[in-house]
Amino acid sequence: AAGVIQSPRHLIKEKRETATLKCYPIPRHDTVYWYQQGPGQDPQFLISFYEKMQSDKGSIPDRFSAQQFSDYHSELNMSSLELGDSALYFCASSFRYQETQYFGPGTRLLVL
Amino acid sequence: GESVGLHLPTLSVQEGDNSIINCAYSNSASDYFIWYKQESGKGPQFIIDIRSNMDKRQGQRVTVLLNKTVKHLSLQIAATQPGDSAVYFCAEKGGGSEKLVFGKGTKLTVNP
Repeated sequence: AAGVIQSPRHLIKEKRETATLKCYPIPRHDTVYWYQQGPGQDPQFLISFYEKMQSDKGSIPDRFSAQQFSDYHSELNMSSLELGDSALYFCASSFRYQETQYFGPGTRLLVL
Repeated sequence: GESVGLHLPTLSVQEGDNSIINCAYSNSASDYFIWYKQESGKGPQFIIDIRSNMDKRQGQRVTVLLNKTVKHLSLQIAATQPGDSAVYFCAEKGGGSEKLVFGKGTKLTVNP
């Protein structure tokens, strides 16, 4: 079965640079969620989108923004990167009226 | 604040034994609970979920038990196999929020 696709899988950036992470949900899923997972930590919710509209917001820094497009894929834009932004970034998707969120393989971001 | 936590950070079992991973939650408004398995460097993989109107749900070799009275959730894995070795997270959702709130994870090691 098709799963959530994330790109790139690995990304190395310098401090103060920008990064864009992409997420392609499971076909027919209309809701996308972004989570950040630090080393040895549990995933922390950042933001979610349903039908291109932000549906919920968590502890997402103001330096980060995200959007969902008409084909339901989503992008997480991260600016003025800091060392502490180094983490795994996961995208999950679901169908609106189903609870289960299915996670992608993640993007590992390293900020030097 | 509200949180979901795990009693044991590590669990080591022998192959073929049954495993029980526990989770305590504190948000009484939570109405949906889910268990994920995460292998090193990979995204959380859905195992089983349960809604608050149920107290038990079974899957293939896995059972989730929910005790709302004491706000406790457990995952039982029957006949544990080496391939079950991973970190297991419980997560909860509710109160009108889209986000999953994760517990701290339990590392399960299955010894052959």
